[in-house]
Amino acid sequence: QVQLVQSGAEVKKPGASVKVSCKASGYTFTSYGISWVRQAPGQGLEWMGWISVYNGNTNYAQKLQGRVTMTTDTSRRTAYMELRSLRSDDTAVYYCARGGGIFGGMDVWGHGTTVTVSS
Amino acid sequence: QSVLTQPPSASGTPGQRVTISCSGSSSNIGSNTVNWYQQLPGKAPKLLIYSNNQRPSGVPDRFSGSKSGTSASLAISGLQSEDEADYYCAAWDDSLNGHVVFGGGTKLTVL
Repeated sequence: QVQLVQSGAEVKKPGASVKVSCKASGYTFTSYGISWVRQAPGQGLEWMGWISVYNGNTNYAQKLQGRVTMTTDTSRRTAYMELRSLRSDDTAVYYCARGGGIFGGMDVWGHGTTVTVSS
Repeated sequence: QSVLTQPPSASGTPGQRVTISCSGSSSNIGSNTVNWYQQLPGKAPKLLIYSNNQRPSGVPDRFSGSKSGTSASLAISGLQSEDEADYYCAAWDDSLNGHVVFGGGTKLTVL
């Protein structure tokens, strides 16, 4: 079946970086983009950006520009999201999702990766 | 402060019909389609409605969506206890090189 499996929980210190992976299965990986969405504790959903798996084009949320990088490895069917210069307010559950962007809804979601930023 | 405005809470009794509103602007809902997501407690979001009023396979027809101008709404008929969840609207926004915007979410309680 179609699924996205994310890497495990991370605990990082302020100023560090984190890289979350999202492995796809059950569909043609290059036919859909991957979106990243995060959710701080008790808060709503926040769109982080989108990457075209087909050609690597990216579109990042303005507030994260310069700190976030989204990449894919088609040989591994895996998408990655790296966030640098972590702050305490980056503590959140990070989700990858298939699709999204201007092309419509995010129809398959990963289970989420908890990233905790604490000194 | 979310770009799309939703009521923070809604409620209904089993069997009732409830609606959740989502208000935006000309750069998002006014010119692009709306998607709705359901998030059960402790779970990842799930696509409930796409392209304003389309249901993905497996979503019951009790859920319906509509859009008019710069607003959209989600209707749930025949409310069931398992519908108790957070609901989010989302749309593409044409400003700032384009980005996705979400509503702040509506917590639906089934009384």
